Amino acid sequence: NAGVTQTPKFRVLKTGQSMTLLCAQDMNHEYMYWYRQDPGMGLRLIHYSVGEGTTAKGEVPDGYNVSRLKKQNFLLGLESAAPSQTSVYFCASSTPGGGGETQYFGPGTRLLVL
Amino acid sequence: GEDVEQSLFLSVREGDSSVINCTYTDSSSTYLYWYKQEPGAGLQLLTYIFSNMDMKQDQRLTVLLNKKDKHLSLRIADTQTGDSAIYFCAERRGSGGYNKLIFGAGTRLAVHP
Repeated sequence: NAGVTQTPKFRVLKTGQSMTLLCAQDMNHEYMYWYRQDPGMGLRLIHYSVGEGTTAKGEVPDGYNVSRLKKQNFLLGLESAAPSQTSVYFCASSTPGGGGETQYFGPGTRLLVL
Repeated sequence: GEDVEQSLFLSVREGDSSVINCTYTDSSSTYLYWYKQEPGAGLQLLTYIFSNMDMKQDQRLTVLLNKKDKHLSLRIADTQTGDSAIYFCAERRGSGGYNKLIFGAGTRLAVHP
């Protein structure tokens, strides 16, 4: 089991460019999440999904879009990157009712927007 | 904003015990978690405690929960240099399926010889 994987690991963008971050999990989890982590702050939820074909907004959704076309994948898109989106992005997955409903995290994607 | 509060930094000597504290706000939270983040890595679940428990022990880790004061602590016995990391407290809010985690800002634990 690879668990939760994220690609790419690191990316530099110019303001206004677009990109997609890919998250994949092989644990057959129903729920998937995208967080961002900024210095001195805890993780903040961007968007989440409770099943294939469904997505919902989290705490800080502006400037991001997501898609969950396949159960194992959750994509995070930035249509027009801004310097304020410089952050470390973490994907997580969980299954309802299992093991304290623990969320399992990927290794993160570091994004720098110039 | 952050409703889960943690001190930002803790320094301990190798071999001593470390105690990391956390306060949360939602008395209806069902699960509370401790995650560990090593430099350049993702979050790794250390342990969790269900809200109807007062204490949970797992090898060197002891979690204490005081629901009345909404206070959670993580004690690491015999702290080692490999325990140096950022420790995040998180509470689970909501019910009926969606598992929303609210994280604290993290406590950076530095272990020195």
